[in-house]
Amino acid sequence: IQLTQSPASLSASVGDEVTITCRASQGIRTYLAWYQQRPGKAPRLLISAASTLHGGVPSRFSGSGFGTEFTLTISDLQPEDFATYYCQQLNDYSWTFGQGTTLEFK
Amino acid sequence: QITLKESGPTLVKPTQTLTLTCTFSGFSLSTQASGVGWIRQPPGKALEWLAVIYWDGDKRYNPSLKTRLSITKDTFKNQVVLTLANVDPLDTATYYCAFSDFEAIPAALIHWGQGSLVTVSS
Repeated sequence: IQLTQSPASLSASVGDEVTITCRASQGIRTYLAWYQQRPGKAPRLLISAASTLHGGVPSRFSGSGFGTEFTLTISDLQPEDFATYYCQQLNDYSWTFGQGTTLEFK
Repeated sequence: QITLKESGPTLVKPTQTLTLTCTFSGFSLSTQASGVGWIRQPPGKALEWLAVIYWDGDKRYNPSLKTRLSITKDTFKNQVVLTLANVDPLDTATYYCAFSDFEAIPAALIHWGQGSLVTVSS
């Protein structure tokens, strides 16, 4: 199963709301997670099961979707949110990542 | 508290076999629904899943690398070992190990190691 993220990069300002899309080549129900990665750091789990916020993640992050189309929305962007975001799926106990979306300051 | 740490060589020559060890604490890989996976990231590029081993010994590999990869676990030592055969400069990357628990948080890699940069060069 392949995951296609869009856009590849995104420019925004503090306080904006942005949405990142992840499309799966086959239906994966809600077996989709989102990660944030800051430069030089390991990825950090944000959302699992398409829409469940991981512990300690601010509520301005939200996820939705089912089957083949999923979105990550970040509202009221904060300076620390400018990073790269990846979606990831699980199918038949195997994993795949999307190609990433880099969120940059406008 | 769950922690994972990758260890292994920082420099490997082309055609050699790369062996990386993930040493973890805070969980047992004999616990049902747990798994440890390996993910890599070439400099400036995206994450790429490599392999995973589960509590019951089940293993899964990235199909594009399957012939070169092997993953094993030592439950008593709390370690997972990944080998990648016949390395090439394109295998230069930061290699991460990560923990999953299907019962706690389905289909996600909950905790990650800090990563280990491996360079393949003659």
